Amino acid sequence: NAGVTQTPKFQVLKTGQSMTLQCAQDMNHNSMYWYRQDPGMGLRLIYYSASEGTTDKGEVPNGYNVSRLNKREFSLRLESAAPSQTSVYFCASSLGRTDTQYFGPGTRLTVL
Amino acid sequence: GIQVEQSPPDLILQEGANSTLRCNFSDSVNNLQWFHQNPWGQLINLFYIPSGTKQNGRLSATTVATERYSLLYISSSQTTDSGVYFCAVLTQGGSEKLVFGKGTKLTVNP
Repeated sequence: NAGVTQTPKFQVLKTGQSMTLQCAQDMNHNSMYWYRQDPGMGLRLIYYSASEGTTDKGEVPNGYNVSRLNKREFSLRLESAAPSQTSVYFCASSLGRTDTQYFGPGTRLTVL
Repeated sequence: GIQVEQSPPDLILQEGANSTLRCNFSDSVNNLQWFHQNPWGQLINLFYIPSGTKQNGRLSATTVATERYSLLYISSSQTTDSGVYFCAVLTQGGSEKLVFGKGTKLTVNP
């Protein structure tokens, strides 16, 4: 069991470039999430998918889009990156919406 | 929205000491989790504890939901306990979201 995996681990973008962060889980979980963590802060929810085929906005969705590709995979897209999106991005999954969430190793993104 | 406050923000201990970390939250919650973020940034689940007391080795946690707080106890601390400890609560009301506190940064010196 790999748990929750994320790619890439590191990425540097220029302002205005686009990219997609990939996340996959092998625990047969129904719910998946994307968070961002800024220095000295806890994590903040960007988007989540309660089940395959559904997505909803979290606390800080502006500038992001998501796709729940199938039950295993949940991607996060930055269409036009901005320096304010420099952060560490974590993907998580849980069996159900109120169950324990398990986190991936994170992607460190820098936007110049 | 719900507020999650953790204290203390920073804690420095000598190896072998005990400590208590606190998490206060401002509204009723569906569940509460404690995480350890190690110096490499990895988030490790410690406890899923909406109420009551749980123990796992040198760590234990207690949540008193009616009084809206949770405590994380670390006994006989080791240098590998260093990192940031986060409390996160799952809100109620139909669109449940996990809301994190700002964390307690723990440094354990040899």
